[in-house]
Amino acid sequence: EAGVVQSPRYKIIEKKQPVAFWCNPISGHNTLYWYLQNLGQGPELLIRYENEEAVDDSQLPKDRFSAERLKGVDSTLKIQPAELGDSAVYLCASKVTANTGELFFGEGSRLTVL
Amino acid sequence: QKEVEQDPGPLSVPEGAIVSLNCTYSNSAFQYFMWYRQYSRKGPELLMYTYSSGNKEDGRFTAQVDKSSKYISLFIRDSQPSDSATYLCAMSRGGSQGNLIFGKGTKLSVKP
Repeated sequence: EAGVVQSPRYKIIEKKQPVAFWCNPISGHNTLYWYLQNLGQGPELLIRYENEEAVDDSQLPKDRFSAERLKGVDSTLKIQPAELGDSAVYLCASKVTANTGELFFGEGSRLTVL
Repeated sequence: QKEVEQDPGPLSVPEGAIVSLNCTYSNSAFQYFMWYRQYSRKGPELLMYTYSSGNKEDGRFTAQVDKSSKYISLFIRDSQPSDSATYLCAMSRGGSQGNLIFGKGTKLSVKP
């Protein structure tokens, strides 16, 4: 069974440019998370989806970050415009439901903003 | 004070040593406690999962939760070079409010 798939694995952009990350969760997993992991830190939640509904986006900086999960499967996280401080790893994770099952992480998308 | 505190290390031990990793937390509502292992440039993977207080053993790994002290531990026996990774503790209240709160992670290096 395929795990959580993320792309791109690495992205280098100039500041003020837009960037988008894509996530394909494990088949059948209704709950999808986007986490931010800075160097030397643990993952921090950005947004949680239950199917196509964003049920917790309180930590998402909405002035420049947006996310969508059309049809309740794949998800995209976008940053526009990117700032130097956005350099980090963006992790996608999924589980069967919020209350059920193990949380599986993708390998992450590493963003460098120059 | 952060909700979850974890010493970032780094921690270096010789092969075969017993490793002790710890986290403290401040939110008494946490019910679920996990340890994740993260290899360099990989996503975290679940290592141990414990509900409420007590011990749980899985092979060379033992997880302990002391809710009265708000303290959790992970012990690794007979450590191997392949155990070299960052170990993240994580916890949640469970249910619909069950978002995981992670510690900073402890970087472990096991020297052959």
